[in-house]
Amino acid sequence: GDSVTQTEGQVALSEEDFLTIHCNYSASGYPALFWYVQYPGEGPQFLFRASRDKEKGSSRGFEATYDKGTTSFHLRKASVQESDSAVYYCALGPNDTNAYKVIFGKGTHLHVLP
Amino acid sequence: GGIITQTPKFLIGQEGQKLTLKCQQNFNHDTMYWYRQDSGKGLRLIYYSITENDLQKGDLSEGYDASREKKSSFSLTVTSAQKNEMAVFLCASSMSNTEVFFGKGTRLTVV
Repeated sequence: GDSVTQTEGQVALSEEDFLTIHCNYSASGYPALFWYVQYPGEGPQFLFRASRDKEKGSSRGFEATYDKGTTSFHLRKASVQESDSAVYYCALGPNDTNAYKVIFGKGTHLHVLP
Repeated sequence: GGIITQTPKFLIGQEGQKLTLKCQQNFNHDTMYWYRQDSGKGLRLIYYSITENDLQKGDLSEGYDASREKKSSFSLTVTSAQKNEMAVFLCASSMSNTEVFFGKGTRLTVV
């Protein structure tokens, strides 16, 4: 079935470091791809999306490019801040075989040290 | 803007007890979801519903029932609470292929 695999566990960086969180997917067709961010005590919230090959999504300094060739949608940020500490989820939207399901990765906990 | 309201925020139940979690949304979204969140396991889909009175099983539906009697509400029942299912349950909604909006969750503890 469709699936999403992302960098697992915890990532620890210092402020102003470059961030990459890897996300790869397995699905047919052209599913929409999403990144969500979750702060403590809150539900995940939408960060951005991309719907077609080579499309770049971005928000709050974060960005990712839809790459159908490598089935990837890696999250990047040039210079992280302490306030970026949160859990990040890559998600796979509905496609031809899953008309309504949204599938999330296991989440990556980012810790940014001052 | 809209909001998703989950009740209760904290739920403590006895092992073997039947427990119900409730969710309301005022986005007028067609699709609603229930996810379970365990530490280190991400978000796992329990049930979803694409319209009023529709129910679709997710990957983790065993041990749960769901009900969508109105477009704006979606409830989840734990049929027999077990100690190993202590987790945060997240309700969400969306329109078609757009982003999903989440509630703040219900934290379940089974004693």
